Amino acid sequence: EIVLTQSPATLSLSPGERATLSCRASQSVSSYLAWYQHKPGQAPRLLIYDASNRATGIPARFSGSGSGTDFTLTISGLEPEDFAVYYCQIRSNWPRGYTFGQGTKLEIK
Amino acid sequence: QVQLQESGPGLVEPSGTLSLTCAVSGDSISSNNWWSWVRQPPGKGLEWIGEIYESGTTNYNPSLKSRVTISVDKSKNQFSLKLTSVTAADTAVYYCARDDWAFDYWGPGILVTVSS
Repeated sequence: EIVLTQSPATLSLSPGERATLSCRASQSVSSYLAWYQHKPGQAPRLLIYDASNRATGIPARFSGSGSGTDFTLTISGLEPEDFAVYYCQIRSNWPRGYTFGQGTKLEIK
Repeated sequence: QVQLQESGPGLVEPSGTLSLTCAVSGDSISSNNWWSWVRQPPGKGLEWIGEIYESGTTNYNPSLKSRVTISVDKSKNQFSLKLTSVTAADTAVYYCARDDWAFDYWGPGILVTVSS
C-alpha cells in the first residue's frame, strides 16, 4: 500500500506570499498525482491532475511539479480565498484505487 | 454543467446499514467514466471508499471492502453506496464524485451520523 506524507501539516503565510506544499509517496507513483483544495462546508476542488496539469478554471497562480515520489504544489501570490486545506492524491493501476495524503492546512498568518 | 447530489438518511443506528444515492445530471453515468464515493470523518482527512463503472465493475478500498457495496442504476442516472455493520467510526461527510483518473466533479456532501 502506498502512503502519502504531506508537509508541513500547517503552513502560516500572509496574502501575497508564495506557498510551497510537499507530498511524498512511499514508492514511485509516476505522475499519477492530483491536488485538491478543501474549504469547510464545501466539496473538495480539483486543482492539479497528473502532477502538473491545471484543472479547468484553476488560476495560473496554482502550479504542480514533481514525479516519482516527490511532488510540490506552489501557490504564487496568495489570495485571501486560497486559505484552506490541501490534499494530494495518487491513483494506483493495480489494484485500481486511490489514496489521499493527510492534508496541509494553509492558514493566514 | 455536471452536477452530483447525494441523498439518504442523516442518521443510522450502530450495526445498521448506511445507504446513500448519488444523482448525476449534466452527464451520463454511461459516459466512459468511473464514479466514486469519498468520506471525511469529523476533524480528519479524506478517505476513498470505492468506485463503479457503468458496466457494474467495482473497486473498493481494501480497509472497507468487506462492508461496502457500490451499485449503479443507469435508468435513473445514479449510483449508490451501502456500508454495513456501521459504528461511530463511520460517522462522516460522504461525497460522491466523477472519477476521471482525478475527481473533477463532486457532490456537496451529506453528513451521516451513526448513533442510537
